Amino acid sequence: DTAVSQTPKYLVTQMGNDKSIKCEQNLGHDTMYWYKQDSKKFLKIMFSYNNKELIINETVPNRFSPKSPDKAHLNLHINSLELGDSAVYFCASSQGVPASNQPQHFGDGTRLSIL
Amino acid sequence: AQSVAQPEDQVNVAEGNPLTVKCTYSVSGNPYLFWYVQYPNRGLQFLLKYITGDNLVKGSYGFEAEFNKSQTSFHLKKPSALVSDSALYFCAVRDWGQAGTALIFGKGTTLSVSS
Repeated sequence: DTAVSQTPKYLVTQMGNDKSIKCEQNLGHDTMYWYKQDSKKFLKIMFSYNNKELIINETVPNRFSPKSPDKAHLNLHINSLELGDSAVYFCASSQGVPASNQPQHFGDGTRLSIL
Repeated sequence: AQSVAQPEDQVNVAEGNPLTVKCTYSVSGNPYLFWYVQYPNRGLQFLLKYITGDNLVKGSYGFEAEFNKSQTSFHLKKPSALVSDSALYFCAVRDWGQAGTALIFGKGTTLSVSS
């Protein structure tokens, strides 16, 4: 059983398109996250949700819109894709609130390539 | 503001030798400290964490880390490296006195273990 699963694994699309990435966790965790890992492997938080409520919203263009239909799912929709959006996007989850000491469990990432 | 530094981009060790991956941090209060490992084309996996208490923390796969408050360091160690330990290692910190703050990751250190 995959604990944190993301779809799709690979996403290749043209500049200007709109795309979505889905994430589901079966760990019963209360908090979910989206991270962006750039080509230099630098990892940066984008958003965090706790029980469907947005808790952390870092400086991310408003073309990126997270949606959490329930606490087991956190999807990421991206409008008007740009070349700089090419990266690996990771979903993660943890028990408790985002500021807790609980470790995060990561999915295997969605590799987004913008042509 | 909180930050974490991993001063080495790459660490090379021979199989069977001890390894150390360095991490220093900066927080205004008290830290939660974590180590994660990332294998190629995979998400991050939790190795160990320091919350409070004993300065020597033991984690998965024989790894351990020592919290040093005076040097603001949390170096990852293993007594005898394996080729399979070759991966990208991330140190991360959160200031537990700051509610709603994100986990901040270092830039990562690539560990290469030769046979």
